[in-house]
Amino acid sequence: EPEVTQTPSHQVTQMGQEVILRCVPISNHLYFYWYRQILGQKVEFLVSFYNNEISEKSEIFDDQFSVERPDGSNFTLKIRSTKLEDSAMYFCASSEATEDGYTFGSGTRLTVV
Amino acid sequence: GESVGLHLPTLSVQEGDNSIINCAYSNSASDYFIWYKQESGKGPQFIIDIRSNMDKRQGQRVTVLLNKTVKHLSLQIAATQPGDSAVYFCAGSNAGKSTFGDGTTLTVKP
Repeated sequence: EPEVTQTPSHQVTQMGQEVILRCVPISNHLYFYWYRQILGQKVEFLVSFYNNEISEKSEIFDDQFSVERPDGSNFTLKIRSTKLEDSAMYFCASSEATEDGYTFGSGTRLTVV
Repeated sequence: GESVGLHLPTLSVQEGDNSIINCAYSNSASDYFIWYKQESGKGPQFIIDIRSNMDKRQGQRVTVLLNKTVKHLSLQIAATQPGDSAVYFCAGSNAGKSTFGDGTTLTVKP
């Protein structure tokens, strides 16, 4: 069964450093998403991406966040200057259409120290 | 803004019993609803979806009911098994953005 692949599985970074979280969505999917989940809390929407541009973003997705599809397979989330409160699981997801269930990756656990 | 919430944070059932997990949503513009299952250390996994022009949809051992009048969604799991133990999230979607509820932890007792 096709999978969404995320790397790394765990990233530890110093506060103020930049991190890039990587995702390889399912190849025939057109819509890509980033969500985050702080430990013990619900899954929160960050951003959706279609046709090489952001289609929706949440209040969480401020100027320190950016997304990119640098080639035909990767989809990345960059956090420019990490804060302690950015510590969370970050999930990438993809779907064929907007009204399709998403396929989620296994997540990257980001720990900011 | 939209909120999606679940009625109970935890649910404990006996193996073989049926489980019902409930969810309420606030945004009438949500036109697509999804139930996800999340096991410890993993990402959410799609279970079943329903569009707003339907009120019931059945899958393998799962049924989703949608009541648009009271903005209520439920997930029924038949003959619950130990492997069903997980956190269950409902999500309401509009224009490609899904808003997740808080999650119900289902524990299946052998």
